[in-house]
Amino acid sequence: AQSVAQPEDQVNVAEGNPLTVKCTYSVSGNPYLFWYVQYPNRGLQFLLKYITGDNLVKGSYGFEAEFNKSQTSFHLKKPSALVSDSALYFCAVRDGSGNTPLVFGKGTRLSVIA
Amino acid sequence: DAGVTQSPTHLIKTRGQHVTLRCSPISGHKSVSWYQQVLGQGPQFIFQYYEKEERGRGNFPDRFSARQFPNYSSELNVNALLLGDSALYLCASSPPGTGGGRNTIYFGEGSWLTVV
Repeated sequence: AQSVAQPEDQVNVAEGNPLTVKCTYSVSGNPYLFWYVQYPNRGLQFLLKYITGDNLVKGSYGFEAEFNKSQTSFHLKKPSALVSDSALYFCAVRDGSGNTPLVFGKGTRLSVIA
Repeated sequence: DAGVTQSPTHLIKTRGQHVTLRCSPISGHKSVSWYQQVLGQGPQFIFQYYEKEERGRGNFPDRFSARQFPNYSSELNVNALLLGDSALYLCASSPPGTGGGRNTIYFGEGSWLTVV
């Protein structure tokens, strides 16, 4: 069975500083990995995904994520945080062997302080 | 193009009642999934439908049911509501084709259900 761990409930970062939101996963086959963002009282917005190929994936709003197979990690990063990046971030995984549902982590709340 | 649309956006029900939530996928998307997000947790998979057939079911009781219509819209039904059913119910759609698990899943804004 697939699982995702987001070890930090909350990440605080100053505006303009780099940010990292951590994610590790467990899956039996090849992983398909996703990051979503949720603003207050809203649905989930897709940020980026890793399917195969280059380990560094670039996505929306300047976000990127680095896939590390040996560490089973898929950390979300941004070189310079904005106050408007403050939101709830979810990492999710699908088993690449089939059209399985997304399995989400519990989420990490990012707070960017001006 | 419109994204995934859901209705109603907010509703309050009493324990024991029944609720129907509705979803229209992105135009051209044939796969619809439903997820439940309880406050403070990540979304949990409930159902997936493709071409009107159930393709997957999560670990939810039989009080939860769903269906997909010929126009690919979908309904989620929950009977005999419990307080613990209070949550944000998210509908998602994904494009057709051979991408399978590679395809991005796009979510709607959700339906907030409060059971009192």
